[in-house]
Amino acid sequence: ETGVTQSPTHLIKTRGQQVTLRCSSQSGHNTVSWYQQALGQGPQFIFQYYREEENGRGNFPPRFSGLQFPNYSSELNVNALELDDSALYLCASSSGSGGGYETQYFGPGTRLLVL
Amino acid sequence: AQSVTQLDSQVPVFEEAPVELRCNYSSSVSVYLFWYVQYPNQGLQLLLKYLSGSTLVKGINGFEAEFNKSQTSFHLRKPSVHISDTAEYFCAVSDEKGGADGLTFGKGTHLIIQP
Repeated sequence: ETGVTQSPTHLIKTRGQQVTLRCSSQSGHNTVSWYQQALGQGPQFIFQYYREEENGRGNFPPRFSGLQFPNYSSELNVNALELDDSALYLCASSSGSGGGYETQYFGPGTRLLVL
Repeated sequence: AQSVTQLDSQVPVFEEAPVELRCNYSSSVSVYLFWYVQYPNQGLQLLLKYLSGSTLVKGINGFEAEFNKSQTSFHLRKPSVHISDTAEYFCAVSDEKGGADGLTFGKGTHLIIQP
């Protein structure tokens, strides 16, 4: 059974640029969530996708957007990068429809540095 | 809205000693509670979770936690720690709305095991 994978592992961008991060869900999982973890902080919920539709969103501006594909893989897009976007971005998948009781399985993350 | 407070940012403990990592939450509805561990440069791994029923929950690697509704706490304990337990530990909460709010994490507790 393949776990959650993310690419790339590290990324350096400059302020104002756009970035796309990718995630492959664990086999059999159809819900994916994205989190931002700033240095020394706990992860913060960005949004969740179930069956290719966004079904929940945290307190992040619209320049953070996402997609989920028919094979349940997912992308996180961030436009107009700001210095504060520097963080570890975590993808998590679960096997249900996104209920709060579901266990979320996390990938290793993509570390983004914005200069 | 939910919130999680992890009362200690760092907990130093000698090897083979017991440890307790404290977590308090606030929510206006019934919650589900989770403890995750994050080893350096890795994603999050689930240690244990409370959904309902018995308030004492046992997890992996010898960890357990007790849900206390009156004190809105979910403290994590281990009777004897090992060097390999050195990591960051996160308490998280969700509710029946699930995807709409995602998981809300505390800021984490760094467990430092001293030989």
